[in-house]
Amino acid sequence: NAGVTQTPKFQVLKTGQSMTLQCAQDMNHEYMSWYRQDPGMGLRLIHYSVGAGITDQGEVPNGYNVSRSTTEDFPLRLLSAAPSQTSVYFCASSPYSGGAVETQYFGPGTRLLVL
Amino acid sequence: AQSVTQLGSHVSVSEGALVLLRCNYSSSVPPYLFWYVQYPNQGLQLLLKYTTGATLVKGINGFEAEFKKSETSFHLTKPSAHMSDAAEYFCAVSDPVAGGNEKLTFGTGTRLTIIP
Repeated sequence: NAGVTQTPKFQVLKTGQSMTLQCAQDMNHEYMSWYRQDPGMGLRLIHYSVGAGITDQGEVPNGYNVSRSTTEDFPLRLLSAAPSQTSVYFCASSPYSGGAVETQYFGPGTRLLVL
Repeated sequence: AQSVTQLGSHVSVSEGALVLLRCNYSSSVPPYLFWYVQYPNQGLQLLLKYTTGATLVKGINGFEAEFKKSETSFHLTKPSAHMSDAAEYFCAVSDPVAGGNEKLTFGTGTRLTIIP
């Protein structure tokens, strides 16, 4: 298993540009999520999904869109990048059993710089 | 709403010394608690978790943590630090009512440095 993979590893954008951060997992996990990591602030949940076709907002959803058309993929879209979105983005997945505590598996991260 | 406080953004210990990383939480219901480790340029890896039952939880790499409800704490310890323990450590909490381990709330992290 490759686990959770993220592409690209690093990206530089100009303000106003759009892009999609890719996340894929090959563990057949129902639950997937996106976090951003900023210095001194830990990780904050952006969006999450409990299965194909189902998404919901986390703590900091503004400026980001997601969709979940397949179990494997959970892309994160920035429609109009802003410098405040400079961050490291992590995707995570786990089985979803509606209350049981499963281990979340994190991808290696995407480092985004918005100029 | 839940929150997590990690005391000390940077902790340095000598190789072979005790590692103690502090975590306090705030939650309206008994939470699920987690410790994650992040090595440089990598994603997070679960060290250990507390859900219910025994309050002393053992994890990987010799780490353990004790859930103390009266102190709302979940401090991480390791008896003898190793150079390979140098990393950033995150405490996290989730609401069992809202979901299992989903929608984690993370602390701000503690960077552990090991002094040779």
